[in-house]
Amino acid sequence: AAGVIQSPRHLIKEKRETATLKCYPIPRHDTVYWYQQGPGQDPQFLISFYEKMQSDKGSIPDRFSAQQFSDYHSELNMSSLELGDSALYFCASSLTAGPNNEQFFGPGTRLTVL
Amino acid sequence: GENVEQHPSTLSVQEGDSAVIKCTYSDSASNYFPWYKQELGKRPQLIIDIRSNVGEKKDQRIAVTLNKTAKHFSLHITETQPEDSAVYFCAASMDSSYKLIFGSGTRLLVRP
Repeated sequence: AAGVIQSPRHLIKEKRETATLKCYPIPRHDTVYWYQQGPGQDPQFLISFYEKMQSDKGSIPDRFSAQQFSDYHSELNMSSLELGDSALYFCASSLTAGPNNEQFFGPGTRLTVL
Repeated sequence: GENVEQHPSTLSVQEGDSAVIKCTYSDSASNYFPWYKQELGKRPQLIIDIRSNVGEKKDQRIAVTLNKTAKHFSLHITETQPEDSAVYFCAASMDSSYKLIFGSGTRLLVRP
């Protein structure tokens, strides 16, 4: 079965640079979520999109923005990168109308800011 | 907003023993409670979930119980195996948002 795809899998950036993370949800899933997981931490919700519209916003810095495109893939744009942005970034997708709204996670993008 | 507390933070058991991880949540509107297993550097994998209209759910060696009144839910793993060693996260969500609020995680070590 198709799973959530994320690219790139690894990314190394310098401070103050920008980064773009991409997420391709499971086909026919209508909701995409972004989570940030620091070392030894639990995943923290950043932002979500339902049918290409932002549906909820969590602890996402103003330096970050995200959008969902017409083909349902989503991109997380991160500017003025800081050392503290180094983390695993997970995208998850779900079918909101499904019985439990189960979220399926992608493999993650490991971002390292030097 | 919702807050999920999880304990213990680490748990070491002998192979074959049972393991229990407990979580409490603060918002009574939460109605969906999944449990995820995460190996180092990997994605969280859903292992079992429960909705608020059910008190208990079981899947082979794994079970989850929910007490809505006390706002706590627990993961039970029986006959533990070394491959059960991982970090386990509980989470909560509600229909108004669906975002997952995670507990702080439990590192489970199953000793052969």
